[in-house]
Amino acid sequence: AQSVTQPDIHITVSEGASLELRCNYSYGATPYLFWYVQSPGQGLQLLLKYFSGDTLVQGIKGFEAEFKRSQSSFNLRKPSVHWSDAAEYFCAVGAQDSNYQLIWGAGTKLIIKP
Amino acid sequence: GAVVSQHPSRVICKSGTSVKIECRSLDFQATTMFWYRQFPKQSLMLMATSNEGSKATYEQGVEKDKFLINHASLTLSTLTVTSAHPEDSSFYICSAREPRTDTQYFGPGTRLTVL
Repeated sequence: AQSVTQPDIHITVSEGASLELRCNYSYGATPYLFWYVQSPGQGLQLLLKYFSGDTLVQGIKGFEAEFKRSQSSFNLRKPSVHWSDAAEYFCAVGAQDSNYQLIWGAGTKLIIKP
Repeated sequence: GAVVSQHPSRVICKSGTSVKIECRSLDFQATTMFWYRQFPKQSLMLMATSNEGSKATYEQGVEKDKFLINHASLTLSTLTVTSAHPEDSSFYICSAREPRTDTQYFGPGTRLTVL
C-alpha cells in the first residue's frame, strides 16, 4: 500500500541549530516528492519538490532535501533554524498516474527553543 | 510562484444553512483542483478531486450530496456545504494543480464554524 511516514510527531531544536525532518515513503511507481510547511491557521506553502534529476534539491527559506531511492527517504534539512521556522511540516508523495493526488504524512511539528 | 486564493477565510453559520467556499487560481489555469479537510492537529484529508468540466471524484466516506463541488472554469472551483451541522465545523483547504509543474498550490484555508 502507498504510504508516507513522518516518524517524528514533533521536534524541538534550538535557534541556530541544524535541523533534519524525516520522511519515508512506500510507493510502487517513481514518485513525485514534496515538502510543505503550514503555519497555524494557514494554508500550506510549498518548500521544495523532487521529480527527477539531481537528488539534492534546494527550496525556499534555506531548506534542502535529499531523495535516497535505496532508503525510500526524502529528508528535509536546514543548517541553521530561525524562530520563524516554527510550524508544521508535511511530506507528500504523488504521481502522474494517480491523477496527481498526494499521499500525506502525518506532519512534524517543529518547535524552536530560544 | 503560483497563487491560489480562497474565500471566505472564515465563516460562521447556523445549523441547517448552506455555505459556499470559493477557490481560485490567480495566475494559472488549473484543470485539476482538490478539496481537503483538516481536523485540529492532524494531516490533510482529501475530500474530492475536481476536474474542470466534469463531475468531481469523491473519496470514500465523503457524501457528495452534502459537499457539492463545482469546477465550472479553469480558475474557479467551489465547495458548498449543504445543510451544515456542527460536525461539519472544520478547516477546509483547496489546492490547484499548476499544469506546467504538476505541483499543487494551496489556498489559505477556510475556517467553518457551524453553530
